[in-house]
Amino acid sequence: EVQLVESGGGLVQPGGSLRLSCAVSGFTFSSSWMYWVRQVPGKGLVWVSRISSDGSVTNYADSVKGRFTISRDNARSTLYLQMDSLRSDDTALYYCARDWTGGAADYWGQGTLVTVSS
Amino acid sequence: QSVLTQPPSVSAAPGQGVTISCSGGGSNIGNNYMSWYQQLPGTAPKLLIYDNDKRPSGIPDRFSASKSGTSATLGITGLQTGDEADYYCGTWDSTLSVFMFGGGTKLTVL
Repeated sequence: EVQLVESGGGLVQPGGSLRLSCAVSGFTFSSSWMYWVRQVPGKGLVWVSRISSDGSVTNYADSVKGRFTISRDNARSTLYLQMDSLRSDDTALYYCARDWTGGAADYWGQGTLVTVSS
Repeated sequence: QSVLTQPPSVSAAPGQGVTISCSGGGSNIGNNYMSWYQQLPGTAPKLLIYDNDKRPSGIPDRFSASKSGTSATLGITGLQTGDEADYYCGTWDSTLSVFMFGGGTKLTVL
């Protein structure tokens, strides 16, 4: 059974930092490109970042470039998102997903909620 | 405001069919594969269509999709109340090197 389990969300003050984790099982993580996608409750999906299977290639949405860092530990089958200089508009539910074929995200976690507020 | 444009809402009666459009440009839809997602209330998105028109295992053939130029369309036939959800298109943008989702379309089965 495929499982993607996000953790690390919570309440943080503006300007603060959080590190999200996504623990993967049920498919070969080390061969898979991975995404982070976020969604403000009641709003649409917004792509955040992508990382290649070996971690050598990363891409970011303009809104998070320079503030967020995607990384992975293939030995632990875990994806990360380091979020620094957080702003109120980063408040959202953050999903990890597998970048399968043609960019399609086939497996998704249930999300972890990040709230940026003073 | 999304680069990929979807209608905010569509509706149809049970048993009927509906189409959802997604309009973009040459650097995204025009030059990359499309995918479509269904998000039921309170749940994570689910992949419905990949590589423009292919259905993952387990997705019924009531769901179909096509792409032409810089536009794509998702079709759903034999609507059921359980199809009420938000639907999103998505594709890579080769110029910006980002993945992008449409703004989403809320399907109501009346």
